[in-house]
Amino acid sequence: DGGITQSPKYLFRKEGQNVTLSCEQNLNHDAMYWYRQDPGQGLRLIYYSQIVNDFQKGDIAEGYSVSREKKESFPLTVTSAQKNPTAFYLCASRAPTDNEQFFGPGTRLTVL
Amino acid sequence: GENVEQHPSTLSVQEGDSAVIKCTYSDSASNYFPWYKQELGKRPQLIIDIRSNVGEKKDQRIAVTLNKTAKHFSLHITETQPEDSAVYFCAAITGYNFNKFYFGSGTKLNVKP
Repeated sequence: DGGITQSPKYLFRKEGQNVTLSCEQNLNHDAMYWYRQDPGQGLRLIYYSQIVNDFQKGDIAEGYSVSREKKESFPLTVTSAQKNPTAFYLCASRAPTDNEQFFGPGTRLTVL
Repeated sequence: GENVEQHPSTLSVQEGDSAVIKCTYSDSASNYFPWYKQELGKRPQLIIDIRSNVGEKKDQRIAVTLNKTAKHFSLHITETQPEDSAVYFCAAITGYNFNKFYFGSGTKLNVKP
C-alpha cells in the first residue's frame, strides 16, 4: 500500500488532551506533509517538512505541532489549543525528483 | 497564496455518460496540476496529472486539459462506470521549491448503473 503508514486508524480524545498521530514512510522521501480533511471540504495543509530537522507551517497550523527528527517519521501533535480537532488527518510524502504525493491511509480523530 | 476552486461539488451521471470536473487557480507560478480520486474512507490516489508546458493529457478513459492563460484545468471521464463513483480532488503546486499543494474542495461523482 505505498510504503506510508499512519497509526492509529481511529483515535478518540477527551477535550483538553494532547494526542500524537504517527506517520512513517519507507519510500526514502525527503518531503512529508500533514493535511486535515473535513466533510465536504478539500485537504488543508497543516505542516510540511522538506528535510530532517526542518518544517514549515501550512495554512492551518494553529493548535498543531510537528517534529522531524528522522527522515522516515513525521508525527503530528494535536494540542488542546486546537478548538475543533475532530477531522480526518492525512499524511503524505513526496520524492525530491517527483511531484506526486503519496498518501497514508489516514487517522480519524474524534474529540469526545 | 494559491486559491483553487473546484466545480461542481456533486455530479451525478448515468453509466456510460461523460463527466467533467473543472478547477481554477490563482497563482500563475503554479506549474503542476494533479487529480486525485478518493473512495469512501480511503486515501486519495493520483489518477492523472499535467504539467504547465502541456495542454492535454490522456490515459484511457481519463483526460485532463489545461488552459494556462485562463488559469483553469479540467478532468474528463468518458464512458463512466459505477466504480468511478468517488470524490475527485484537483490540486495546484506552488511555493518555494514548488513544495506546497493546494487542493480544491472536491467533487463527489455518482455514476448510476
